[in-house]
Amino acid sequence: DTAVSQTPKYLVTQMGNDKSIKCEQNLGHDTMYWYKQDSKKFLKIMFSYNNKELIINETVPNRFSPKSPDKAHLNLHINSLELGDSAVYFCASSQGAGPSFGQGTRLTVV
Amino acid sequence: AQSVTQLGSHVSVSEGALVLLRCNYSSSVPPYLFWYVQYPNQGLQLLLKYTSAATLVKGINGFEAEFKKSETSFHLTKPSAHMSDAAEYFCAVSVGTGGFKTIFGAGTRLFVKA
Repeated sequence: DTAVSQTPKYLVTQMGNDKSIKCEQNLGHDTMYWYKQDSKKFLKIMFSYNNKELIINETVPNRFSPKSPDKAHLNLHINSLELGDSAVYFCASSQGAGPSFGQGTRLTVV
Repeated sequence: AQSVTQLGSHVSVSEGALVLLRCNYSSSVPPYLFWYVQYPNQGLQLLLKYTSAATLVKGINGFEAEFKKSETSFHLTKPSAHMSDAAEYFCAVSVGTGGFKTIFGAGTRLFVKA
């Protein structure tokens, strides 16, 4: 039974398109995150939600919009995709420190 | 501001040898510190965490780390490397309140030679 699950696992799309990545956690955690991992494996936090409320927004372009319909879900919508958006996006959740990560969504923009 | 530095982007050891992955942190308040492992095409898995209790922390797969405040270090060790330990390892520090923003180091790729 997967703790943090995200879909899709792979996403290939053309520049200018809009896409969404969904994330669900069944751990009962209050906090959920989106991280971006670039080609050099560097991980950077994008957003953090606590009980559906946005608490961290790390200078991410406005084209990225997270939405948390409830405590167990945090989706990421990306408008007008650019080549530089190609990366692996990880959803995570935590109750206090030490997030639990999903398997990642590899986004390739062509 | 809090940060974490991993010394060495690549470390190579022989099977059965000691594994030592280095991590130094910077924090103005007592930190929470973590080590994660990432296997190819997978998410990050928590190996162990330090949350101001015992300074020597034991984790999964035979790994352990020691918090040394005087050296601002949290190095990861394993007495005997196994081929299955080959992966990317990340040191991380949690900062702030409420949601605990976790900042990751650049990662160290561990190679294990037969």
